[in-house]
Amino acid sequence: DAMVIQNPRYQVTQFGKPVTLSCSQTLNHNVMYWYQQKSSQAPKLLFHYYDKDFNNEADTPDNFQSRRPNTSFCFLDIRSPGLGDAAMYLCATSREGTGSYEQYFGPGTRLTVT
Amino acid sequence: AQKITQTQPGMFVQEKEAVTLDCTYDTSDQSYGLFWYKQPSSGEMIFLIYQGSYDEQNATEGRYSLNFQKARKSANLVISASQLGDSAMYFCAMRERGDSSYKLIFGSGTRLLVRP
Repeated sequence: DAMVIQNPRYQVTQFGKPVTLSCSQTLNHNVMYWYQQKSSQAPKLLFHYYDKDFNNEADTPDNFQSRRPNTSFCFLDIRSPGLGDAAMYLCATSREGTGSYEQYFGPGTRLTVT
Repeated sequence: AQKITQTQPGMFVQEKEAVTLDCTYDTSDQSYGLFWYKQPSSGEMIFLIYQGSYDEQNATEGRYSLNFQKARKSANLVISASQLGDSAMYFCAMRERGDSSYKLIFGSGTRLLVRP
C-alpha cells in the first residue's frame, strides 16, 4: 500500500547532540511537510518542500533544517536539540495541482531529549 | 487572531450515541477547505472528512458527517453510533494559501472519550 513512513518511531538524543529524523513516501506526492506537535497541542508547521523548493515558516527556529534529496525522501535535522524540542514530529505529504487537498500523515517520530 | 477554534477541550459520549464536535473558523478567502483529523494515542493523524467552501452538500464519510454552515463559519463534525475505538483526539483544520502552496492550520483539538 502507498504510504508515508517515518523512521525511527522513537528517538532519544542528548541535549546538544545533532539528530536526524527521516520520512519517505510511496505516494509520489510533490509536497512534503514537517510538523512539530508538543504534548496536548495542535501540530505546528515547521516547513515544507514544494517539489525542490524549500518553504520555511517565519517562526521556525534556525536550529531546525530540512533536506529533500529526491521526491520520495525528506529529512528533518535538529542541529543542537534542547529540552524544549522534545515532541512528536509528523511528516505529511500532498499532491498539489490535482484538486485533491488531503494531507497524508506518517505515524510520527517521538523525540526525547535527555 | 486564531483562525480555527475548537471550544471543547474534552467530550464524553455514550457508546452507540451520536456526538457533535464544534469547529469555527475565520478567513477572508472565498475558496478554502476544511478538514477533520483523528489522532489516537499512538500519534498518527488519520484523515476523516473534507469540506470545500464551494461544496453545496455537507460532506459525509460513513459514520462521519460535517455540518457546514458557511454564514456562521462553522464546520462541526458529527459522529454517529459512537464506538469505543472512536476515543481519540480530534482536530479541525483549514487549508490556507501560503507563499508557494497550501498549508493546514489546526485547531487546538477536542479529546473524545466514548463510554461503554
